[in-house]
Amino acid sequence: NAGVTQTPKFRVLKTGQSMTLLCAQDMNHEYMYWYRQDPGMGLRLIHYSVGEGTTAKGEVPDGYNVSRLKKQNFLLGLESAAPSQTSVYFCASSLGQIWNEQFFGPGTRLTVL
Amino acid sequence: DAKTTQPNSMESNEEEPVHLPCNHSTISGTDYIHWYRQLPSQGPEYVIHGLTSNVNNRMASLAIAEDRKSSTLILHRATLRDAAVYYCILRDSPRSGGYQKVTFGIGTKLQVIP
Repeated sequence: NAGVTQTPKFRVLKTGQSMTLLCAQDMNHEYMYWYRQDPGMGLRLIHYSVGEGTTAKGEVPDGYNVSRLKKQNFLLGLESAAPSQTSVYFCASSLGQIWNEQFFGPGTRLTVL
Repeated sequence: DAKTTQPNSMESNEEEPVHLPCNHSTISGTDYIHWYRQLPSQGPEYVIHGLTSNVNNRMASLAIAEDRKSSTLILHRATLRDAAVYYCILRDSPRSGGYQKVTFGIGTKLQVIP
């Protein structure tokens, strides 16, 4: 099993450009999550999904959109990138119950100039 | 929402036990205590979790205070590979009309000295 994979690993954008980050998991997990990690801030939840076709806002959802058209994929979109969105983005998945562990991807380092 | 408090950093000598503390004085009765760690340039990885009783697994032990207001992650013999940031988090069901807020905080950076 590949676990949780993220594409791309690195990306540099100019302000105003758009992009989509792809997260894929092969563990048949119901829940998927997108986090961002900034220095001194820990991980903050952006959006999450409790199943195919569902999405919900997390702690810092502004400026991002997500879609979960297939159970194994969770996409994070930036419609108009801003320098404040420079961060490392982590995707995670879990079976869903609050006692289940989350499995994290390797991260995507995004720089917005 | 219940929050956790951890020391910013700790040091340990290699092959000695490490006790990483976490305070969660506002924990609710249904909050699970989870520990994750993050190695440099990697995503977080699960370490252990518990509700009320102490827990052991191949990676670590989790000691939970009787009043559940604090917990301690125990690494029995620290190795250089254990140098990481350790996060103590609380997980509960999604609030009505809200979201499943899982706050990782900044964690404890553990340095292991050879």
